Amino acid sequence: EAGVTQFPSHSVIEKGQTVTLRCDPISGHDNLYWYRRVMGKEIKFLLHFVKESKQDESGMPNNRFLAERTGGTYSTLKVQPAELEDSGVYFCASSLRPKANYGYTFGSGTRLTVV
Amino acid sequence: QQQVKQSPQSLIVQKGGISIINCAYENTAFDYFPWYQQFPGKGPALLIAIRPDVSEKKEGRFTISFNKSAKQFSLHIMDSQPGDSATYFCAASTGSSNTGKLIFGQGTTLQVKP
Repeated sequence: EAGVTQFPSHSVIEKGQTVTLRCDPISGHDNLYWYRRVMGKEIKFLLHFVKESKQDESGMPNNRFLAERTGGTYSTLKVQPAELEDSGVYFCASSLRPKANYGYTFGSGTRLTVV
Repeated sequence: QQQVKQSPQSLIVQKGGISIINCAYENTAFDYFPWYQQFPGKGPALLIAIRPDVSEKKEGRFTISFNKSAKQFSLHIMDSQPGDSATYFCAASTGSSNTGKLIFGQGTTLQVKP
C-alpha cells in the first residue's frame, strides 16, 4: 500500500511569492489533515478534510492560506503571498476514520523556506 | 497557549540506558494520548498510545506511564538503542470526537550513543 505522498519535498521561495504544496493521501482515506511545524516548536494542526469538505479549519493561520481537496482525492495547500513566518515543515496525514484514536499516517512533509 | 508541554527538548542516553520523556496537559477532555516517532526526512509515525482509563501500557521496550490526577504522561524507552535516535512527540486528542485533531508537544530529540 502506497503511503501518503507530499511534494515538493523542499521549496525555497521569496517573500511575496506564491507556493502550492500537494498531498496525495492513501487511496480510500476520506480524512486528510494538514499540520505544520515551525522550527523547534510543536506540530500544529491546520485543517481537516472529510472527502472534499472542510470538517475543521480552526488552525489555519490567516487568509493567505488556502486549502482545497477537489473530488476528495489529493489536496493542495496554497500560500499567497508567502511571508517569512510561513517557513516550516508542512505535513499531510490521512486516515480511514475521522477519529484520532484510530491513528493516521503522515507523509514525509514539505520543508518550506521563505527568504 | 500550549496545551501539551513536553520535556526535555533534547536527550542523550548511552546504549542500554533508559530514555524518559515527559508530557503534561491542561485539557481534561483529552482522552487519547499517542506518542509519535520521527526519523530525519520522514513524517511522524505512531509508536504507542494510551487512554486515561489505564495507568500504564507496554509494547516491547516502549512504555507509557499515565497519571490522570497530575495530568501527566511519559514515555520510557528501555534498553535504548542507537536505532531509537529520533525525535519523539507526545500528543493528545479528544479521541472520541469526529475532528481527528491532535495537539502535539514540542518534541524531544533523542540521541542514543553507542
